[in-house]
Amino acid sequence: DPKIIQKPKYLVAVTGSEKILICEQYLGHNAMYWYRQSAKKPLEFMFSYSYQKLMDNQTASSRFQPQSSKKNHLDLQITALKPDDSATYFCASSQSGGLGAEQFFGPGTRLTVL
Amino acid sequence: QQKVQQSPESLSVPEGGMASLNCTSSDRNFQYFWWYRQHSGEGPKALMSIFSDGDKKEGRFTAHLNKASLHVSLHIRDSQPSDSALYFCAASDGGGSNAKLTFGKGTKLSVKS
Repeated sequence: DPKIIQKPKYLVAVTGSEKILICEQYLGHNAMYWYRQSAKKPLEFMFSYSYQKLMDNQTASSRFQPQSSKKNHLDLQITALKPDDSATYFCASSQSGGLGAEQFFGPGTRLTVL
Repeated sequence: QQKVQQSPESLSVPEGGMASLNCTSSDRNFQYFWWYRQHSGEGPKALMSIFSDGDKKEGRFTAHLNKASLHVSLHIRDSQPSDSALYFCAASDGGGSNAKLTFGKGTKLSVKS
């Protein structure tokens, strides 16, 4: 059974619209993350949460808003979508947010903005 | 400048051969390194971590870290077609809850049978 679920797997959106990417983890982890992978850049850290609190935000744009309704959920809301937002978005989790904690990645949501 | 640089960009080895991947960091705050592997259409999966100088061996995989030069390598012996994937080096400063990983661009490994 998949331990980290991301929904949907594929997503097509029009420029200017808003989408929510869903992430649920069933590993019992306390820390969750979002990363982005595009053709132009390597895997890029976006956010980290620990015990449902935002710990780090490396996303320059406020159009990206993480939402944690439950300990094992970390959704990503993206508003005013742009073609440059096209990428695969990966959710990850770890037992703790500290040194040595392996981060487990989900299968990703591939977003295409037309 | 990319803080984590990997070489080569791509590598082809015969089945049963040795694959050697390299990674260098330009940031001395990065003291903790991971190797991740990503098969097509999947998320990255951790292969191994290395935090201390020297070698660390796990099965067919051996990582080597030289903290003075911030150089990490990964050697895969007896390479198998299933090892064909994108390999990432990732670094962290390990600072408390701020455990973000900084990834290199990756090395695409092809193992030919």
